[in-house]
Amino acid sequence: DAGVIQSPRHEVTEMGQEVTLRCKPISGHDYLFWYRQTMMRGLELLIYFNNNVPIDDSGMPEDRFSAKMPNASFSTLKIQPSEPRDSAVYFCASSSRIETEAFFGQGTRLTVV
Amino acid sequence: AQSVSQHNHHVILSEAASLELGCNYSYGGTVNLFWYVQYPGQHLQLLLKYFSGDPLVKGIKGFEAEFIKSKFSFNLRKPSVQWSDTAEYFCAVRDDKIIFGKGTRLHILP
Repeated sequence: DAGVIQSPRHEVTEMGQEVTLRCKPISGHDYLFWYRQTMMRGLELLIYFNNNVPIDDSGMPEDRFSAKMPNASFSTLKIQPSEPRDSAVYFCASSSRIETEAFFGQGTRLTVV
Repeated sequence: AQSVSQHNHHVILSEAASLELGCNYSYGGTVNLFWYVQYPGQHLQLLLKYFSGDPLVKGIKGFEAEFIKSKFSFNLRKPSVQWSDTAEYFCAVRDDKIIFGKGTRLHILP
């Protein structure tokens, strides 16, 4: 398996624009996590899915953020409208069951100017 | 709700020194514990994990960690660090979701 695949790797956008981050989890994994990493706040869990169903989205900062998982092999994180404070590295991770670790993608570095 | 606390935000050591990074968690049930490493510009990679059994777990690259249930701790150790261990280290706890500590930046002087 190629691992968790995220796209794009880098995204630069202007404030107010819509941004969509994409993630393809490892085949067969039931859990998918979205994290945001910043210097100030570290690695924050935004939302996670189990069997394509959102389980906990309490980490989503505000209504501008939304995430979907239409099938077992694809998830998106959307920010609309984007703001400079959304600049961060966004990681997607997947795992098979509770008693296992999560495998991380390479991340998307988002810069909002 | 579970939480993870890492005591050291930034650690600087010389090569061959011994390392211990502290991690305490807060959770009332059965937990799964992890240490991840993030090299500069890269994604997180698993160093080691604890689910049950022997509380002393060994991971890759000579790292080990000890689970002490009474202290809610899962400290990471390495007897002799190398320059290539320069990275950021994250402790994590899992019941269903996975929560990470804020990380410890480790800088090894050659």
